[in-house]
Amino acid sequence: QKEVEQNSGPLSVPEGAIASLNCTYSDRGSQSFFWYRQYSGKSPELIMSIYSNGDKEDGRFTAQLNKASQYVSLLIRDSQPSDSATYLCAGGGGGADGLTFGKGTHLIIQP
Amino acid sequence: DGGITQSPKYLFRKEGQNVTLSCEQNLNHDAMYWYRQDPGQGLRLIYYSQIVNDFQKGDIAEGYSVSREKKESFPLTVTSAQKNPTAFYLCASSAYFQAYNEQFFGPGTRLTVL
Repeated sequence: QKEVEQNSGPLSVPEGAIASLNCTYSDRGSQSFFWYRQYSGKSPELIMSIYSNGDKEDGRFTAQLNKASQYVSLLIRDSQPSDSATYLCAGGGGGADGLTFGKGTHLIIQP
Repeated sequence: DGGITQSPKYLFRKEGQNVTLSCEQNLNHDAMYWYRQDPGQGLRLIYYSQIVNDFQKGDIAEGYSVSREKKESFPLTVTSAQKNPTAFYLCASSAYFQAYNEQFFGPGTRLTVL
Protein backbone atom coordinates (compact mmCIF):
# COMPACT_ATOMS: atom_id res chain seq x y z
CA GLN A 1 0.00 0.00 0.00
CA LYS A 2 1.54 3.26 -1.14
CA GLU A 3 1.20 5.99 1.48
CA VAL A 4 2.10 9.64 1.71
CA GLU A 5 2.00 11.14 5.19
CA GLN A 6 1.64 14.80 6.14
CA ASN A 7 0.95 16.61 9.38
CA SER A 8 -2.57 17.99 8.98
CA GLY A 9 -1.83 21.14 11.00
CA PRO A 10 -2.92 23.82 11.19
CA LEU A 11 0.56 25.27 10.87
CA SER A 12 0.55 28.93 11.84
CA VAL A 13 3.41 31.15 10.58
CA PRO A 14 3.85 34.93 10.94
CA GLU A 15 3.82 37.00 7.77
CA GLY A 16 7.32 37.36 6.33
CA ALA A 17 8.66 34.22 8.02
CA ILE A 18 9.61 30.90 6.41
CA ALA A 19 6.92 28.22 6.31
CA SER A 20 8.23 24.65 6.34
CA LEU A 21 5.98 21.80 5.21
CA ASN A 22 6.99 18.16 5.40
CA CYS A 23 5.95 14.88 3.85
CA THR A 24 7.11 11.26 4.06
CA TYR A 25 6.33 8.45 1.64
CA SER A 26 6.33 4.67 1.91
CA ASP A 27 6.99 3.52 -1.67
CA ARG A 28 10.71 3.39 -2.45
CA GLY A 29 9.80 3.04 -6.13
CA SER A 30 8.39 6.57 -6.24
CA GLN A 31 10.30 8.68 -8.76
CA SER A 32 8.51 12.02 -8.80
CA PHE A 33 7.09 14.27 -6.13
CA PHE A 34 4.77 17.21 -6.30
CA TRP A 35 3.42 19.96 -4.10
CA TYR A 36 -0.04 21.29 -4.81
CA ARG A 37 -1.72 24.29 -3.20
CA GLN A 38 -5.46 24.08 -2.63
CA TYR A 39 -7.56 27.01 -1.51
CA SER A 40 -10.80 26.23 0.29
CA GLY A 41 -13.46 25.10 -2.16
CA LYS A 42 -11.07 25.10 -5.13
CA SER A 43 -9.12 22.48 -7.05
CA PRO A 44 -5.40 21.78 -6.44
CA GLU A 45 -2.83 23.92 -8.24
CA LEU A 46 0.62 22.51 -9.01
CA ILE A 47 3.33 24.71 -7.49
CA MET A 48 6.46 22.53 -7.40
CA SER A 49 7.78 19.30 -8.90
CA ILE A 50 10.96 17.52 -7.82
CA TYR A 51 12.56 14.34 -9.12
CA SER A 52 16.19 14.31 -7.93
CA ASN A 53 17.74 14.41 -4.48
CA GLY A 54 18.52 17.90 -3.29
CA ASP A 55 16.86 21.28 -3.56
CA LYS A 56 14.85 22.91 -6.31
CA GLU A 57 14.02 26.59 -6.08
CA ASP A 58 11.32 28.56 -7.87
CA GLY A 59 10.76 32.10 -6.66
CA ARG A 60 9.78 32.02 -2.99
CA PHE A 61 9.34 28.23 -3.05
CA THR A 62 12.03 25.58 -2.44
CA ALA A 63 11.31 21.88 -2.64
CA GLN A 64 13.69 19.40 -1.02
CA LEU A 65 13.91 15.67 -1.68
CA ASN A 66 15.82 13.03 0.26
CA LYS A 67 15.14 9.62 -1.26
CA ALA A 68 17.24 7.75 1.30
CA SER A 69 15.04 9.12 4.10
CA GLN A 70 11.89 9.03 1.92
CA TYR A 71 11.26 12.65 2.82
CA VAL A 72 10.02 15.63 0.84
CA SER A 73 9.66 19.18 2.07
CA LEU A 74 8.47 22.57 0.84
CA LEU A 75 9.83 25.86 2.12
CA ILE A 76 7.96 29.09 1.50
CA ARG A 77 10.07 32.19 2.08
CA ASP A 78 8.65 35.62 2.92
CA SER A 79 5.25 34.07 3.65
CA GLN A 80 2.25 36.13 2.61
CA PRO A 81 -1.37 35.93 3.79
CA SER A 82 -2.24 34.75 0.26
CA ASP A 83 -0.13 31.63 0.95
CA SER A 84 -2.76 30.52 3.48
CA ALA A 85 -4.13 27.29 2.00
CA THR A 86 -3.90 23.52 2.26
CA TYR A 87 -0.73 22.08 0.74
CA LEU A 88 -0.93 18.58 -0.72
CA CYS A 89 2.13 16.40 -1.18
CA ALA A 90 1.94 13.73 -3.89
CA GLY A 91 4.23 10.99 -5.17
CA GLY A 92 4.29 9.02 -8.39
CA GLY A 93 6.12 6.20 -10.11
CA GLY A 94 7.38 8.37 -12.95
CA GLY A 95 5.09 6.98 -15.62
CA ALA A 96 1.56 8.03 -16.49
CA ASP A 97 -0.02 6.24 -13.53
CA GLY A 98 -2.02 8.07 -10.91
CA LEU A 99 -0.42 9.92 -8.03
CA THR A 100 -0.66 9.06 -4.34
CA PHE A 101 -1.64 12.09 -2.27
CA GLY A 102 -1.22 12.96 1.37
CA LYS A 103 -4.15 14.43 3.28
CA GLY A 104 -2.62 17.89 3.20
CA THR A 105 -1.25 20.43 5.66
CA HIS A 106 -3.39 23.47 6.46
CA LEU A 107 -1.11 26.53 6.50
CA ILE A 108 -2.18 29.82 8.06
CA ILE A 109 -0.08 32.95 7.53
CA GLN A 110 -0.84 35.43 10.27
CA PRO A 111 -0.57 39.15 9.32
CA ASP B 1 -7.16 29.37 -23.53
CA GLY B 2 -5.74 25.93 -22.87
CA GLY B 3 -7.07 24.07 -19.91
CA ILE B 4 -9.34 21.49 -18.36
CA THR B 5 -13.06 22.03 -17.97
CA GLN B 6 -15.46 20.08 -15.81
CA SER B 7 -19.22 20.26 -15.76
CA PRO B 8 -21.44 20.71 -13.97
CA LYS B 9 -19.88 22.61 -11.09
CA TYR B 10 -22.54 21.30 -8.69
CA LEU B 11 -24.62 18.15 -9.12
CA PHE B 12 -27.38 16.71 -6.98
CA ARG B 13 -28.33 13.08 -7.27
CA LYS B 14 -31.21 11.13 -5.87
CA GLU B 15 -30.67 7.71 -4.39
CA GLY B 16 -30.54 5.04 -7.10
CA GLN B 17 -29.68 7.39 -9.95
CA ASN B 18 -26.67 7.20 -12.23
CA VAL B 19 -25.02 10.52 -13.04
CA THR B 20 -22.27 11.43 -15.49
CA LEU B 21 -19.57 14.04 -14.83
CA SER B 22 -17.94 15.67 -17.81
CA CYS B 23 -14.21 16.36 -18.23
CA GLU B 24 -12.72 17.97 -21.34
CA GLN B 25 -9.15 19.16 -22.02
CA ASN B 26 -7.60 21.09 -24.90
CA LEU B 27 -3.99 20.68 -23.75
CA ASN B 28 -3.36 17.78 -26.16
CA HIS B 29 -2.53 15.63 -23.15
CA ASP B 30 -2.58 11.87 -23.60
CA ALA B 31 -3.29 10.84 -20.02
CA MET B 32 -6.38 11.73 -17.99
CA TYR B 33 -7.39 10.93 -14.42
CA TRP B 34 -10.32 11.02 -12.05
CA TYR B 35 -9.85 11.58 -8.33
CA ARG B 36 -12.25 11.88 -5.46
CA GLN B 37 -11.73 14.16 -2.44
CA ASP B 38 -13.67 13.87 0.80
CA PRO B 39 -13.60 16.64 3.47
CA GLY B 40 -10.24 16.79 5.24
CA GLN B 41 -8.85 14.04 3.03
CA GLY B 42 -6.34 13.79 0.27
CA LEU B 43 -7.23 12.80 -3.27
CA ARG B 44 -7.95 9.17 -4.10
CA LEU B 45 -7.58 7.78 -7.61
CA ILE B 46 -10.75 6.37 -9.22
CA TYR B 47 -9.74 5.66 -12.84
CA TYR B 48 -7.09 6.76 -15.28
CA SER B 49 -6.49 6.53 -19.00
CA GLN B 50 -3.13 6.74 -20.73
CA ILE B 51 -4.43 6.56 -24.31
CA VAL B 52 -7.71 6.62 -26.18
CA ASN B 53 -9.88 3.50 -25.82
CA ASP B 54 -7.90 2.27 -22.83
CA PHE B 55 -8.30 2.90 -19.09
CA GLN B 56 -7.30 1.32 -15.78
CA LYS B 57 -8.91 1.09 -12.37
CA GLY B 58 -7.47 3.15 -9.57
CA ASP B 59 -7.70 2.52 -5.84
CA ILE B 60 -11.46 3.11 -5.47
CA ALA B 61 -13.06 2.14 -8.83
CA GLU B 62 -16.04 0.23 -7.41
CA GLY B 63 -19.32 1.94 -8.28
CA TYR B 64 -17.79 4.08 -11.03
CA SER B 65 -17.35 3.70 -14.78
CA VAL B 66 -15.49 5.67 -17.45
CA SER B 67 -14.98 5.83 -21.20
CA ARG B 68 -12.24 7.33 -23.36
CA GLU B 69 -13.53 7.56 -26.91
CA LYS B 70 -11.76 10.83 -27.68
CA LYS B 71 -8.41 12.16 -26.57
CA GLU B 72 -10.03 15.35 -25.26
CA SER B 73 -12.78 13.75 -23.18
CA PHE B 74 -12.91 11.42 -20.16
CA PRO B 75 -16.41 11.29 -18.64
CA LEU B 76 -17.04 9.61 -15.28
CA THR B 77 -20.32 7.88 -14.43
CA VAL B 78 -21.22 7.50 -10.78
CA THR B 79 -23.55 4.52 -10.60
CA SER B 80 -26.13 3.57 -8.01
CA ALA B 81 -23.69 0.90 -6.83
CA GLN B 82 -21.48 3.61 -5.31
CA LYS B 83 -22.60 3.61 -1.68
CA ASN B 84 -21.26 6.98 -0.59
CA PRO B 85 -20.91 9.20 -3.67
CA THR B 86 -21.11 12.61 -2.01
CA ALA B 87 -17.67 14.14 -2.63
CA PHE B 88 -15.62 16.63 -4.66
CA TYR B 89 -14.63 15.03 -7.99
CA LEU B 90 -11.49 16.21 -9.72
CA CYS B 91 -10.32 15.49 -13.24
CA ALA B 92 -6.66 15.87 -14.20
CA SER B 93 -4.50 15.42 -17.26
CA SER B 94 -0.81 15.01 -18.06
CA ALA B 95 1.42 14.80 -21.12
CA TYR B 96 2.31 11.12 -21.51
CA PHE B 97 5.66 11.75 -23.11
CA GLN B 98 6.72 13.69 -20.06
CA ALA B 99 8.69 11.30 -17.87
CA TYR B 100 7.58 12.66 -14.56
CA ASN B 101 3.84 13.00 -15.00
CA GLU B 102 2.97 16.50 -13.86
CA GLN B 103 -0.78 16.46 -13.50
CA PHE B 104 -2.99 19.52 -13.88
CA PHE B 105 -6.48 19.71 -12.47
CA GLY B 106 -9.82 21.00 -13.64
CA PRO B 107 -12.05 23.08 -11.35
CA GLY B 108 -13.96 20.07 -10.01
CA THR B 109 -17.57 18.93 -9.62
CA ARG B 110 -19.28 18.77 -6.22
CA LEU B 111 -21.70 15.86 -6.11
CA THR B 112 -24.32 15.66 -3.38
CA VAL B 113 -26.69 12.75 -2.88
CA LEU B 114 -30.09 13.86 -1.63
